[in-house]
Amino acid sequence: DTGVSQNPRHKITKRGQNVTFRCDPISEHNRLYWYRQTLGQGPEFLTYFQNEAQLEKSRLLSDRFSAERPKGSFSTLEIQRTEQGDSAMYLCASSPQMGLLYGYTFGSGTRLTVV
Amino acid sequence: AQTVTQSQPEMSVQEAETVTLSCTYDTSESDYYLFWYKQPPSRQMILVIRQEAYKQQNATENRFSVNFQKAAKSFSLKISDSQLGDAAMYFCAYRGVNTGNQFYFGTGTSLTVIP
Repeated sequence: DTGVSQNPRHKITKRGQNVTFRCDPISEHNRLYWYRQTLGQGPEFLTYFQNEAQLEKSRLLSDRFSAERPKGSFSTLEIQRTEQGDSAMYLCASSPQMGLLYGYTFGSGTRLTVV
Repeated sequence: AQTVTQSQPEMSVQEAETVTLSCTYDTSESDYYLFWYKQPPSRQMILVIRQEAYKQQNATENRFSVNFQKAAKSFSLKISDSQLGDAAMYFCAYRGVNTGNQFYFGTGTSLTVIP
């Protein structure tokens, strides 16, 4: 297993277009998280899956955002009608179902630029 | 709400010297976990060190150690014998027992290592 994989690494899109990102977590990790990181800021929580169930969503996740994790494996994050304020690094992370002391394993992120 | 504050946007250190990065947090929880993550220019975040709040002993991982002051809600990171590869953004993060589905990150400290 090579860790958490995110695709694409970079995405440039025009305002108003839809975009979809993919995250492949470490295979034995049943927890998957999406974070957003803007320039000069730390990552901010977006949503969390345990297996295929989306158990928590941040208020940052507006109606234009949707995330899925079919079959509890890979996950997709879709942004509809993109806005310039959506430009950010979108990070995916996974962890096993262990104690809270266990940190995440992060992917390299998808950098979205909305022009 | 939990907040994490890193008051040093940038720090620099001479190679082989020691540097301390500061972090304070605010929480009403009594049981929680604290982490330092490193984010090199490649952007993948890597766990550096972690600390359980109920443990008085400060965590140590090779050249990395923390100074955890629970009463002061302070969690600083000390890097000894700094190496060029230590140059990165460093994020302090909090994970509560009752809010354990997400991390709360600080805004980061950019560390430069001077040869």
